[in-house]
Amino acid sequence: AQRVTQPEKLLSVFKGAPVELKCNYSYSGSPELFWYVQYSRQRLQLLLRHISRESIKGFTADLNKGETSFHLKKPFAQEEDSAMYYCALRKLGGADGLTFGKGTHLIIQP
Amino acid sequence: NAGVTQTPKFRVLKTGQSMTLLCAQDMNHEYMYWYRQDPGMGLRLIHYSVGEGTTAKGEVPDGYNVSRLKKQNFLLGLESAAPSQTSVYFCASSYEGARTGELFFGEGSRLTVL
Repeated sequence: AQRVTQPEKLLSVFKGAPVELKCNYSYSGSPELFWYVQYSRQRLQLLLRHISRESIKGFTADLNKGETSFHLKKPFAQEEDSAMYYCALRKLGGADGLTFGKGTHLIIQP
Repeated sequence: NAGVTQTPKFRVLKTGQSMTLLCAQDMNHEYMYWYRQDPGMGLRLIHYSVGEGTTAKGEVPDGYNVSRLKKQNFLLGLESAAPSQTSVYFCASSYEGARTGELFFGEGSRLTVL
């Protein structure tokens, strides 16, 4: 079975500092990886997906198949980045939704 | 555009009582999901549906039943609530099994079982 691991429950950094939220996965096939974000009092929403290789709100994430990782990075944190971040995996061709990690609570201190 | 709507948003039950959570989506999505979110556990899939009239078990299905009688609605039932089912429940929907990876979530339903 697939698994997504986010080792940090809580990550606190100062505004302007770089941010890296770690995500590791285990899956025998070719996965698709995603980052979801939940801001305070808002719905869980898609932040970015690895296949798009895009930068959203200054965040990027690169899929490293050798290390089975999909870390989320941002060079300069902003206070509005404070939120819960979930890494998620979808099995290639899978119809049964996404498997989520336990989440990392990111706090950006002023 | 309402997107995904869950009712009720809050509910308190006594052990052994039953209840149904309703999820409605207006995006004509084929696929719908019920997740539960617990502190330190992330989101875990309870049941899902790939179309009207079909349902399947997820990671943590025990103690729950679901029905998808209409394409736009996905109901989650608790026949005999237990304190272990105290959680926040999220419904989500997607095009074609999250092919793009984008699930659209509801606001959540907070259930407390005493």
